[in-house]
Amino acid sequence: AQSVAQPEDQVNVAEGNPLTVKCTYSVSGNPYLFWYVQYPNRGLQFLLKYITGDNLVKGSYGFEAEFNKSQTSFHLKKPSALVSDSALYFCAVRVSAAGNKLTFGGGTRVLVKP
Amino acid sequence: EAGVTQFPSHSVIEKGQTVTLRCDPISGHDNLYWYRRVMGKEIKFLLHFVKESKQDESGMPNNRFLAERTGGTYSTLKVQPAELEDSGVYFCASSQVVHSGNTIYFGEGSWLTVV
Repeated sequence: AQSVAQPEDQVNVAEGNPLTVKCTYSVSGNPYLFWYVQYPNRGLQFLLKYITGDNLVKGSYGFEAEFNKSQTSFHLKKPSALVSDSALYFCAVRVSAAGNKLTFGGGTRVLVKP
Repeated sequence: EAGVTQFPSHSVIEKGQTVTLRCDPISGHDNLYWYRRVMGKEIKFLLHFVKESKQDESGMPNNRFLAERTGGTYSTLKVQPAELEDSGVYFCASSQVVHSGNTIYFGEGSWLTVV
């Protein structure tokens, strides 16, 4: 069975500082990894994904994530956080052998303080 | 291009009543999914349609939940009768093709409160 862990329920960071949201996964087979963001009272918005190739993927709003196969991690990063980045972030994994459904982590709330 | 749209955005019903949620996928997307997040827990898969056929309904919690996709266009998710533990947000999503690397696009969600 596949699973995703987001070890931090909340991350607090000052505006302008680097932001990292951690994600580790467990799957059988090659993983396809995704990050989604949910702003207050909104739906899930796609940020970025890793399929294959370069381990560093860039996405929307200046976010990037690094795939690390040996550590089974896919941490989300942003060099300089904005107050508007305050939201709920979800990591998800998908494996074709598991029927293509997304398995989500529990989510990490990011609070960026001015 | 319109995204995935869901209706209603918010619904408050009493225990034992029926609620029907509607989802219109992105035009041209044959794949439609339902997910839900209840009581602040993880987002869980409910089911997957390919056109009008149920490809995978392994996540449906029980027979109080019925999903349909008439003509392979919009989909409805009916909860009958609703229970308190059904409260949460129900997300609909769609994708163009079935491939593990393909992006699944989500709607704004239907926020259900059962009282």
